[in-house]
Amino acid sequence: DAKTTQPTSMDCAEGRAANLPCNHSTISGNEYVYWYRQIHSQGPQYIIHGLKNNETNEMASLIITEDRKSSTLILPHATLRDTAVYYCIVRFVSGNTPLVFGKGTRLSVIA
Amino acid sequence: SAVISQKPSRDICQRGTSLTIQCQVDSQVTMMFWYRQQPGQSLTLIATANQGSEATYESGFVIDKFPISRPNLTFSTLTVSNMSPEDSSIYLCSGLRGKSEAFFGQGTRLTVV
Repeated sequence: DAKTTQPTSMDCAEGRAANLPCNHSTISGNEYVYWYRQIHSQGPQYIIHGLKNNETNEMASLIITEDRKSSTLILPHATLRDTAVYYCIVRFVSGNTPLVFGKGTRLSVIA
Repeated sequence: SAVISQKPSRDICQRGTSLTIQCQVDSQVTMMFWYRQQPGQSLTLIATANQGSEATYESGFVIDKFPISRPNLTFSTLTVSNMSPEDSSIYLCSGLRGKSEAFFGQGTRLTVV
């Protein structure tokens, strides 16, 4: 079973920051937080991951609370092409375990 | 990350028949997985494809219905056997190399009529 809770859907105006929350209150010390997204009719796409420090890459920023029980994915300037289902996933650092998907958040970017 | 090619991209099949889906990775991967995504739903893990041995199936999925092969480190197949309309879904393969992020094929959209 997925160990994360996300809102079912969110809207964001084009050009504004999209902030997608995720609760993972039962996360253990050796589990990373991963974010993937699935654009319609495509396979899931990796966005970013982190353990306890905030992370940033060319796609997004990941903010993890100090107690690691929740996190927020930030798309700094959302575009229409960012419309997708976003999945927050926790996974052991060993690296050989599959991703277990929850229901995700359907983000709609509106012009 | 590596690239996964999945074939066919879509198919329409008669009930009672079987379909084999192929997944080819452009470089060696440690692990390969198969998922099912029913209409409007999230991804559900079917099994882990083990190289040179029997796949490891998740609860609710059995080898007779979803036989899987993985003859080497870059290739795997999933067969959907004796299909019924309830098997209409998108089937996706995924690869994993060490501690890097997992990557996915584009999926096979299966419709059973």
